Amino acid sequence: EPEVTQTPSHQVTQMGQEVILRCVPISNHLYFYWYRQILGQKVEFLVSFYNNEISEKSEIFDDQFSVERPDGSNFTLKIRSTKLEDSAMYFCASSRTANQPQHFGDGTRLSIL
Amino acid sequence: QQQVKQSPQSLIVQKGGISIINCAYENTAFDYFPWYQQFPGKGPALLIAIRPDVSEKKEGRFTISFNKSAKQFSLHIMDSQPGDSATYFCAASPEGNSGYSTLTFGKGTMLLVSP
Repeated sequence: EPEVTQTPSHQVTQMGQEVILRCVPISNHLYFYWYRQILGQKVEFLVSFYNNEISEKSEIFDDQFSVERPDGSNFTLKIRSTKLEDSAMYFCASSRTANQPQHFGDGTRLSIL
Repeated sequence: QQQVKQSPQSLIVQKGGISIINCAYENTAFDYFPWYQQFPGKGPALLIAIRPDVSEKKEGRFTISFNKSAKQFSLHIMDSQPGDSATYFCAASPEGNSGYSTLTFGKGTMLLVSP
């Protein structure tokens, strides 16, 4: 069964540094999403992306964050000038259409030191 | 108003028993209610989902019951098995610009099914 893959599985970064989290969505999916889960807390929506532009974003997704689909397969989340509170598990998801179920990757654990 | 409240936080059920997890919401714009199952080290995986035009949906041992007037929905796992031990999240989404994309998750329920 096709799956969403995320790399790296664990990223350790110094506070203030930029980090890029990478995702390869399922190949025939057109909608892409990022979520985060702070340890012990619920999964929170960050952003959805379709047709090379942001469709929806949450209050969490401020100017520190950006997303990009640099080629036909990758979908990235960039966090500029990371803060301690950015430490979380970041999940990428994709869906074939807007109303189809979202399929999640296994996440990237981001640790900010 | 965007919250989805989930209970209990944790649940222990004997093998063969029924596991019941409840969720409540306030936002009447929510129009899609999925349940996700998450094993340690893995991402959430869609288990079953319902839209408010039906009051119940069953897939195998998993059933969603939906009460639109009370703004509540629940997951029932019949004949619970040790392999069902995982964290379960309810979620909800309105139909927005990009479909049901803005999932709001509950805080999760850690289910342990004892052998």
